[in-house]
Amino acid sequence: EVQLVQSGGGSVQPGGSLRLSCAIPGFIFRGYEWNWVRQAPGKGLEWVSYISSSGTKIFYADSVKGRFTISRDNAKNSLSLQMDSLRAEDTAVYYCARDVAEPDCGADCSYFDYWGQGTLVTVSS
Amino acid sequence: DIQMTQSPSSLSASVGDRVTITCRASQSLRRHLNWYQQKPGKAPKVLIYSVSTLQGGVPSRFSASESGTDFTLTISSLQLEDFATYYCQQSFLIPYTFGQGTKLEIK
Repeated sequence: EVQLVQSGGGSVQPGGSLRLSCAIPGFIFRGYEWNWVRQAPGKGLEWVSYISSSGTKIFYADSVKGRFTISRDNAKNSLSLQMDSLRAEDTAVYYCARDVAEPDCGADCSYFDYWGQGTLVTVSS
Repeated sequence: DIQMTQSPSSLSASVGDRVTITCRASQSLRRHLNWYQQKPGKAPKVLIYSVSTLQGGVPSRFSASESGTDFTLTISSLQLEDFATYYCQQSFLIPYTFGQGTKLEIK
């Protein structure tokens, strides 16, 4: 079974920073787009950020824009999310997720096929 | 942003039942609609992508369809392992958006 190993979660006060990492086997990392998705306690899934295979295209949810920074290291097969100016509403389990798109999945397709195990971020005073 | 409205939010059913979950998109998705299953404490798992294509290893009792901007996930005969929360997701436009989820519980 392929394992994506996430690290970096924990507790932080409002206004603080955390950096999440996702270590990914090279054969599923290289050449693919990646995302971060979060889930607040007892709530649904919320997409957070996207990065293209080259790292040149990056997008963020409005809720985190200007505070979070996604990055990837193609040499180390890793994905990161730098989270600054954290707020209570950022409390969630954060998942890294691979975005497989056409033509790898056929035509008219794009979905998250590999997910990390999730890491809990708690923002509280 | 594309809004995804999923219903019902919860559903009680018995083993062997046929169940249907629906999702309505606020605009056309050009087949970029996916379904995920999530069990407590676990990451979501893709069941179906591109409206109706079963991900490898997913049992054939799962199926899905579309009618315009309305999408349906059907489980033909519920098994114990199917009791979980299900989410639809549009991957047509960023920001990607998910439905609110449907929690499928044992009756």
